[in-house]
Amino acid sequence: RKEVEQDPGPFNVPEGATVAFNCTYSNSASQSFFWYRQDCRKEPKLLMSVYSSGNEDGRFTAQLNRASQYISLLIRDSKLSDSATYLCVVNREGNEKLTFGTGTRLTIIP
Amino acid sequence: GAGVSQSPSNKVTEKGKDVELRCDPISGHTALYWYRQSLGQGLEFLIYFQGNSAPDKSGLPSDRFSAERTGGSVSTLTIQRTQQEDSAVYLCASSLRQGLGYTFGSGTRLTVV
Repeated sequence: RKEVEQDPGPFNVPEGATVAFNCTYSNSASQSFFWYRQDCRKEPKLLMSVYSSGNEDGRFTAQLNRASQYISLLIRDSKLSDSATYLCVVNREGNEKLTFGTGTRLTIIP
Repeated sequence: GAGVSQSPSNKVTEKGKDVELRCDPISGHTALYWYRQSLGQGLEFLIYFQGNSAPDKSGLPSDRFSAERTGGSVSTLTIQRTQQEDSAVYLCASSLRQGLGYTFGSGTRLTVV
């Protein structure tokens, strides 16, 4: 089983819609959680950290469920510019390196 | 510098040749990481440097791969006797401390022909 699993998609969503992705992680010792965004042929960029209480940044909301070992990302009022691959990222306690999921591809349709 | 700088941005090399990839992290970032991403694949961890500690080399795929970090700043990833399966985008990232996200460079696209 992969340490971080994501639905690869693709998700094709009309502009203005709300879309949500889930990601599961296998190691219960995981400590830090992030969502990264990667545009085609570009490097990944940090979108937001995920906190235990859930957090929001504009149209983006991230949540963590430790009991079920998953994190989620909700995008409201989606824009064409939201089209990208969204990477779920996990960091284990005491381990410096981040483990990346293979990403969920999102395309916003005009 | 303002961001993580990698060079070259593109490298085409013949099978069997050695290549060196360079990474200049954000000033003050003590942690430096190398990952690679093959076409359509996720990010694969290669090596991690933290300050003066011994690097975590657990992700290096073979002994043809090595990396060093001089003076706690610039890092060089060396691939000896390149093979076609080494073709990928090699990404460097730096971080201020554990628990924070990384900032990635724009990568070196390596093509072995």
